[in-house]
Amino acid sequence: DADVTQTPRNRITKTGKRIMLECSQTKGHDRMYWYRQDPGLGLRLIYYSFDVKDINKGEISDGYSVSRQAQAKFSLSLESAIPNQTALYFCATRDRESAEAFFGQGTRLTVV
Amino acid sequence: AQSVTQLGSHVSVSEGALVLLRCNYSSSVPPYLFWYVQYPNQGLQLLLKYTSAATLVKGINGFEAEFKKSETSFHLTKPSAHMRDAAEYFCAVSGTYAGGTSYGKLTFGQGTILTVHP
Repeated sequence: DADVTQTPRNRITKTGKRIMLECSQTKGHDRMYWYRQDPGLGLRLIYYSFDVKDINKGEISDGYSVSRQAQAKFSLSLESAIPNQTALYFCATRDRESAEAFFGQGTRLTVV
Repeated sequence: AQSVTQLGSHVSVSEGALVLLRCNYSSSVPPYLFWYVQYPNQGLQLLLKYTSAATLVKGINGFEAEFKKSETSFHLTKPSAHMRDAAEYFCAVSGTYAGGTSYGKLTFGQGTILTVHP
């Protein structure tokens, strides 16, 4: 099983719909992240969390919200999806000791 | 604040040729620096990292990078390209732990797509 698991892997949704992307990890790391990837823009940070009670906005948090339900679970929500939120979304964890980040396989979201 | 600039969104080399992917960073605290690789339809995989030890860092698959503080650079090189190296490469920066909250923010560059020709 993957250390960082994202569900769903692919999703098509309509404009205005609420959608949740889920991430779970078995690494035991306290730090978790959500990024979106767009061609030519690299990965941009949406939200990050240092523990269950510590949630921080990233560079592009507008239109998104997150929930850290447990140390191992970090969900990203789009309250009212819009077409320019079509992107590849990645969840990651980070090892405090090694500083290395570990990524999930990504969720490809299309908003029509 | 921290940022990363990768020079060249596309790099094309012949098999067996030198690979050079450029990365310049900006950081208000001593940085940790990383190179990640992304193969098609996959997540990101760590190639190598600089965390304030040796300035020449060796990674997986024959890649290496040199941290040059005076040039604020962390360029990625490989002496001889293979077809399997074709992928997208990302440079990333974060603050060291002593820098506080900047440690938690891992900031990526725009990515460089490497094409390897036979």
